[in-house]
Amino acid sequence: DAGVTQSPTHLIKTRGQQVTLRCSPKSGHDTVSWYQQALGQGPQFIFQYYEEEERQRGNFPDRFSGHQFPNYSSELNVNALLLGDSALYLCASSLGGDTAYEQYFGPGTRLTVT
Amino acid sequence: AQKVTQAQTEISVVEKEDVTLDCVYETRDTTYYLFWYKQPPSGELVFLIRRNSFDEQNEISGRYSWNFQKSTSSFNFTITASQVVDSAVYFCALSEADDYKLSFGAGTTVTVRA
Repeated sequence: DAGVTQSPTHLIKTRGQQVTLRCSPKSGHDTVSWYQQALGQGPQFIFQYYEEEERQRGNFPDRFSGHQFPNYSSELNVNALLLGDSALYLCASSLGGDTAYEQYFGPGTRLTVT
Repeated sequence: AQKVTQAQTEISVVEKEDVTLDCVYETRDTTYYLFWYKQPPSGELVFLIRRNSFDEQNEISGRYSWNFQKSTSSFNFTITASQVVDSAVYFCALSEADDYKLSFGAGTTVTVRA
């Protein structure tokens, strides 16, 4: 049973560039959430996708956008990168989008902005 | 607004000692869900447990046990007879019934020394 997978594992970008991170949910899951985890902090919710639409968004600027595909996989796009965007980006999947269900996390993508 | 506080930043113990991690939460909802996740050095968040607000029964799973007390808004986690492999950052998280995001505490770093 495949778990949540993310690519790439690590990424180095320059300020002002754009980046796309990818996530495949756990088998049988249809909901994908994205979190940003700065060093030494807990993850912060970016947004959640369900039925190919953004259902809820956290306190992140419009530079952060996403997409969910018919196979439930998802992308996170960040435009005009800032140094402060350097973080571990975690993707989580769950079933049906019900808040009662636990979210399963992938290994993350470590983004470094220089 | 929901909030999760993990007052302990770091805990260091010798192998076989018990470790208790504190978690205090704030919410105005009567229906909510509490979670504990473990983040080993590899970075992937591992789901440990979910509790519903209407079920205060405490739980034991192997060397792990959880103490949920609504009266004090606490959801504490104990590792009995700790092992070196328990070394990780542990996060407490909260999800409200009408909210899809997980709100995490700042995490507690547990170091188990041989």
